[in-house]
Amino acid sequence: DSGVTQTPKHLITATGQRVTLRCSPRSGDLSVYWYQQSLDQGLQFLIQYYNGEERAKGNILERFSAQQFPDLHSELNLSSLELGDSALYFCASSEGPDTQYFGPGTRLTVL
Amino acid sequence: AQSVTQLGSHVSVSEGALVLLRCNYSSSVPPYLFWYVQYPNQGLQLLLKYTTGATLVKGINGFEAEFKKSETSFHLTKPSAHMSDAAEYFCAVSDPVDFGNEKLTFGTGTRLTIIP
Repeated sequence: DSGVTQTPKHLITATGQRVTLRCSPRSGDLSVYWYQQSLDQGLQFLIQYYNGEERAKGNILERFSAQQFPDLHSELNLSSLELGDSALYFCASSEGPDTQYFGPGTRLTVL
Repeated sequence: AQSVTQLGSHVSVSEGALVLLRCNYSSSVPPYLFWYVQYPNQGLQLLLKYTTGATLVKGINGFEAEFKKSETSFHLTKPSAHMSDAAEYFCAVSDPVDFGNEKLTFGTGTRLTIIP
């Protein structure tokens, strides 16, 4: 158990819909990262937050957004969903630059 | 930009045999290097990491890896494979100099199969 929790574990929705994925980092970790894992793109970095502020952006679509709240939990919002958004979405947290701890992931299926 | 190449998307070894998973990286500065393991339907678990210091690093479950700057490699090894080692393994790199942007860049993964 990494100490990072993600909800829900599975999510099935339809094209055009909007969903919110939630992540609670390890106690004390200020950084939260979001990654997408898909068969065709592999593991890709989406976005990083540090203590409530956006720190870095990767290959995140404009339809996607995230935020980190004062209690340090983070949410990833995916809107206007397409079939190609079906993937595993991982959250990771860290206290420093050298180790990220990953949550169990949310499997999103868009029908 | 950093990149990671994992040679061999699938590797099969017999139980008790040596495991060798290859990882080469491209980076303009000495990077931080990681190996993660992913079991079916689970998240990523850190096996080991190299940041600074000793170039041979030991991780969990008997795995180790050696950072070779001259070869830009960070290959993962285990002397004797066990059935429980069957999983997908990911090599990753981050840039320790790019403060504030500690994203991980992953390789495409190597699926390890253990033959009884």
